[in-house]
Amino acid sequence: NAGVMQNPRHLVRRRGQEARLRCSPMKGHSHVYWYRQLPEEGLKFMVYLQKENIIDESGMPKERFSAEFPKEGPSILRIQQVVRGDSAAYFCASSPNRQGWGNTEAFFGQGTRLTVV
Amino acid sequence: AQTVTQSQPEMSVQEAETVTLSCTYDTSESDYYLFWYKQPPSRQMILVIRQEAYKQQNATENRFSVNFQKAAKSFSLKISDSQLGDAAMYFCAYRARSNDYKLSFGAGTTVTVRA
Repeated sequence: NAGVMQNPRHLVRRRGQEARLRCSPMKGHSHVYWYRQLPEEGLKFMVYLQKENIIDESGMPKERFSAEFPKEGPSILRIQQVVRGDSAAYFCASSPNRQGWGNTEAFFGQGTRLTVV
Repeated sequence: AQTVTQSQPEMSVQEAETVTLSCTYDTSESDYYLFWYKQPPSRQMILVIRQEAYKQQNATENRFSVNFQKAAKSFSLKISDSQLGDAAMYFCAYRARSNDYKLSFGAGTTVTVRA
């Protein structure tokens, strides 16, 4: 059973370009969470998705950021017109159900390190 | 809003010795979970240990144990018999049972293990 797979591991974008980060949850997991880790900081919650639904996007910047988790395929975190401040590590985690955090272990991917030059 | 504070940016320990990492948190909730995550250079976030606030007994996982002081809102991690593979960034995290999915993380403590 493969873990949470994120790709790419490293992504370099020029200012103004678009960044697309992919997350394939563990088999059987239909709940996905995205977190951002800025340099020298802990992870910050961005968005929680279930298949085809955004449940909570309270941690997402209002502009330029969007996330989706289609019926088929990975979850995508999309950042349009990237700026230097978007440089960070972006982590995805998945769980089999909403209560996954409490009663069952949620699993993180290895993250995507985005560098904006 | 919940905040998690790790006051030690870096800690160093001799191999086979013990190191204790500090964590304090602020919450108005009475029921919640606390976690310690390990992030090695690979960046993989690995759950080390979990504590449920309603349980008075401190959690233990092999060489890792916690000292949970609910009244003081303190949650320290002790690593015994430190090994070179323990070298990593360690994050303390909090989740309120009322908001199951959202974790709040501290800024992390970098642990270096000296051979």
